[in-house]
Amino acid sequence: EDQVTQSPEALRLQEGESSSLNCSYTVSGLRGLFWYRQDPGKGPEFLFTLYSAGEEKEKERLKATLTKKESFLHITAPKPEDSATYLCAVQAGRDDKIIFGKGTRLHILP
Amino acid sequence: DGGITQSPKYLFRKEGQNVTLSCEQNLNHDAMYWYRQDPGQGLRLIYYSQIVNDFQKGDIAEGYSVSREKKESFPLTVTSAQKNPTAFYLCASTDNLNTEAFFGQGTRLTVV
Repeated sequence: EDQVTQSPEALRLQEGESSSLNCSYTVSGLRGLFWYRQDPGKGPEFLFTLYSAGEEKEKERLKATLTKKESFLHITAPKPEDSATYLCAVQAGRDDKIIFGKGTRLHILP
Repeated sequence: DGGITQSPKYLFRKEGQNVTLSCEQNLNHDAMYWYRQDPGQGLRLIYYSQIVNDFQKGDIAEGYSVSREKKESFPLTVTSAQKNPTAFYLCASTDNLNTEAFFGQGTRLTVV
C-alpha cells in the first residue's frame, strides 16, 4: 500500500534555530513529490516539486531535497512568520493518485 | 485570475440532510480531487477525476458522491449516509503533467 509518513508531528523552534522536517514514502512509480505550506483555516499553498533522487530546490529560508526513500524540508534561520503546517504529498501509481502525509506543525517562537 | 473556487466557505447541515459542496476551476486542468481534513489526520482522498465523465473512489468514499459533467466543475455531495461529516473539505486540480496540485480555500462543514 502506498504510504507517506511525516515526522515530527510537531516542532517548536526559537527564531533563528535551523532544523529539518522529514517525509518518508513507500510508493510504486513515483511521479513527483510535493511540499505545501498550510495556514489555519486555509487551503495548502504550493512550495516545491521534486521529481528524482538528488534533486534540490530552494525558496527563501526553505530548501527541499529528495532521496529514493525520503525528502527533507530544511528551514534555515526561521522567523515567526514561517509558523504553519507543512505537508508532503506524492503522486504515484498507475492512476496518479496524490497521497498526503499528516503534516508537521511548525511553531517558531520569537 | 486563474484558480480554484470552493463555495460556500462555511456550511451547516442538519443530520439526515444531503449537502453539495461546489468546486470550480478556470485553470483548464484535467484532473480534480476532493480531500477531507480532520485535526491530526492530514488530507484523506475522497474522490478524484482524471477526465470529464469519469471518476474514481479514493480512500474514504463511503457516504459521498461526485459528478464530473464539465471540465471546470467537480461538485461533492455529502449524503446522510456519511456518519461523521463534520470536517474541512478541500478541492484541488492538476494538469496531469507531473505538476503540483492547486487547492481551493476549503469548505468547513458542520453538522448541527
